[in-house]
Amino acid sequence: EPEVTQTPSHQVTQMGQEVILRCVPISNHLYFYWYRQILGQKVEFLVSFYNNEISEKSEIFDDQFSVERPDGSNFTLKIRSTKLEDSAMYFCASSEAFSKPHRYFGPGTRLTVL
Amino acid sequence: RKEVEQDPGPFNVPEGATVAFNCTYSNSASQSFFWYRQDCRKEPKLLMSVYSSGNEDGRFTAQLNRASQYISLLIRDSKLSDSATYLCVVTDHGSSNTGKLIFGQGTTLQVKP
Repeated sequence: EPEVTQTPSHQVTQMGQEVILRCVPISNHLYFYWYRQILGQKVEFLVSFYNNEISEKSEIFDDQFSVERPDGSNFTLKIRSTKLEDSAMYFCASSEAFSKPHRYFGPGTRLTVL
Repeated sequence: RKEVEQDPGPFNVPEGATVAFNCTYSNSASQSFFWYRQDCRKEPKLLMSVYSSGNEDGRFTAQLNRASQYISLLIRDSKLSDSATYLCVVTDHGSSNTGKLIFGQGTTLQVKP
């Protein structure tokens, strides 16, 4: 079965540093998402992306966050100046369409901000 | 009020038991409903969609009551491998254009031998 991959699996960074989380969505999917899950809490929507544009972003996705599809296969999430409260598991997902219920999630990147 | 509310559990049941989880959602305009499963420290995976007419997939049955804004999941003949957190997920009226899924906090199930 095709799968979404994410790198790195674990990222440790100092507060104020920039991080880039990388994702390779399923190859024929055109719709991409980032979600995050703080330990012990619910999965929260960050952003959806299609046709090189953000379709929707949540209140969490402030000016410190950005997404990019730098080439035909990668989808990245950048946090410009990390804060302690950014520590969480970040999940990338992709789908065939926004209206399709099946989101294929990657295994996640655990971000720890010290 | 939370957008999607679930009893966090944990539900501890013996193998072979039948267990039911409930979920309520606050937005009456929500259009689509799902159950996802999440194993410890893993990614969520779609378990099944939920329809007003109810739907069944093997040992799993999901029901939706739009009038009460209530979703349920029934697991029959529980297996050890069913141990996981079950996430109630909804979309809103705009999600077909943006893809946003709204997750509940999840209900944890532990099936014991």
